[in-house]
Amino acid sequence: GDSVTQMEGPVTLSEEAFLTINCTYTATGYPSLFWYVQYPGEGLQLLLKATKADDKGSNKGFEATYRKETTSFHLEKGSVQVSDSAVYFCALRITGFQKLVFGTGTRLLVSP
Amino acid sequence: NAGVTQTPKFQVLKTGQSMTLQCAQDMNHEYMSWYRQDPGMGLRLIHYSVGAGITDQGEVPNGYNVSRSTTEDFPLRLLSAAPSQTSVYFCASYSAGAQEAYNEQFFGPGTRLTVL
Repeated sequence: GDSVTQMEGPVTLSEEAFLTINCTYTATGYPSLFWYVQYPGEGLQLLLKATKADDKGSNKGFEATYRKETTSFHLEKGSVQVSDSAVYFCALRITGFQKLVFGTGTRLLVSP
Repeated sequence: NAGVTQTPKFQVLKTGQSMTLQCAQDMNHEYMSWYRQDPGMGLRLIHYSVGAGITDQGEVPNGYNVSRSTTEDFPLRLLSAAPSQTSVYFCASYSAGAQEAYNEQFFGPGTRLTVL
């Protein structure tokens, strides 16, 4: 079945450090890929997305590239801020299906 | 636009009690979904709807009922609450546009439910 695997957290970084959160997927069809962010006490918000191989999604300094050959969609940011502290979810959806398949989430903690 | 709203924010139930979690959206989205979020398991789909009068089961539907009488509302009913249903529940909606698979899902703020 379809699944998403994320690195376990928490990821603890100092402000201005480089961030990578790994995400790999298994899909029976051709998925669209998403990163969602959940700030404390809030619902999920779409951070970025990519719809086909080699697409790069970007938003708020975050980037992720859809790598079909390695079935990966790693999230990166060059310089994190304290305000980036949140839980990040990688997800996929197959065209024609209603279900978003989520990874387990990775908590990011950024200290000043 | 209020987006996706959920009530209540917090709820404590005793085993065997019933209740309804409310969800409403004001974006005229065709699709609505209910997810539950449990530690270490990400979000799992409970039920979803592709339009008024049409619902279907997701990954973990047992113990939950839904109905969709209007485009705006998609309530989730727990008929007889069990401790295993302690979780955070999220409602989401999105539009069935021309590129349906790419459309963003909008999530509500969640309902934290504890069943004793």
